Amino acid sequence: EPEVTQTPSHQVTQMGQEVILRCVPISNHLYFYWYRQILGQKVEFLVSFYNNEISEKSEIFDDQFSVERPDGSNFTLKIRSTKLEDSAMYFCASRVVAGGGEQFFGPGTRLTVL
Amino acid sequence: QQQVKQSPQSLIVQKGGISIINCAYENTAFDYFPWYQQFPGKGPALLIAIRPDVSEKKEGRFTISFNKSAKQFSLHIMDSQPGDSATYFCAASAWKFGNEKLTFGTGTRLTIIP
Repeated sequence: EPEVTQTPSHQVTQMGQEVILRCVPISNHLYFYWYRQILGQKVEFLVSFYNNEISEKSEIFDDQFSVERPDGSNFTLKIRSTKLEDSAMYFCASRVVAGGGEQFFGPGTRLTVL
Repeated sequence: QQQVKQSPQSLIVQKGGISIINCAYENTAFDYFPWYQQFPGKGPALLIAIRPDVSEKKEGRFTISFNKSAKQFSLHIMDSQPGDSATYFCAASAWKFGNEKLTFGTGTRLTIIP
């Protein structure tokens, strides 16, 4: 069964460093998302992406964050200068069509900022 | 107004019993209400979802009850099994308005005891 994959599973970085989290969505999906989950808290929307541009972003997704689909398969989230409060699980999700359809989530990347 | 409130925070149910988790929302634009199941170290996985044009949806042991006037919906797990032990999140989105990000509840940690 097709699935969303994410790498790395765990990333440890120093405050102020740049990190890139990678996702490979399901191959025929067209809509891509990043969510994050701070330990013990709810899952929060960060950004949605369609047709090579951002569709919507939350207030969390400030200038330190960016997303890119550098090729036909990868979808990346970059945090330019990490802060302690960026420590969280980051989930990528994808969906095949607009106006409905399940969002399939990847297993997540645990980001730890020291 | 974008919040989805979920209760209880944790729930312990005996094997074979009924598990009930409740959610409430304020935004009347929400028109899609999924429930996600999350096991430790995994991403959320869609369990069951409902649109507001029906008051109930059943899939196997899982049922969503939806009360549009009260802006509430709930998940019922019949004949609860130890394998159902997980964290459950309700969510909502406003597909009709092109706003397809998921707004999640705070989660319920369900434990099924023998």
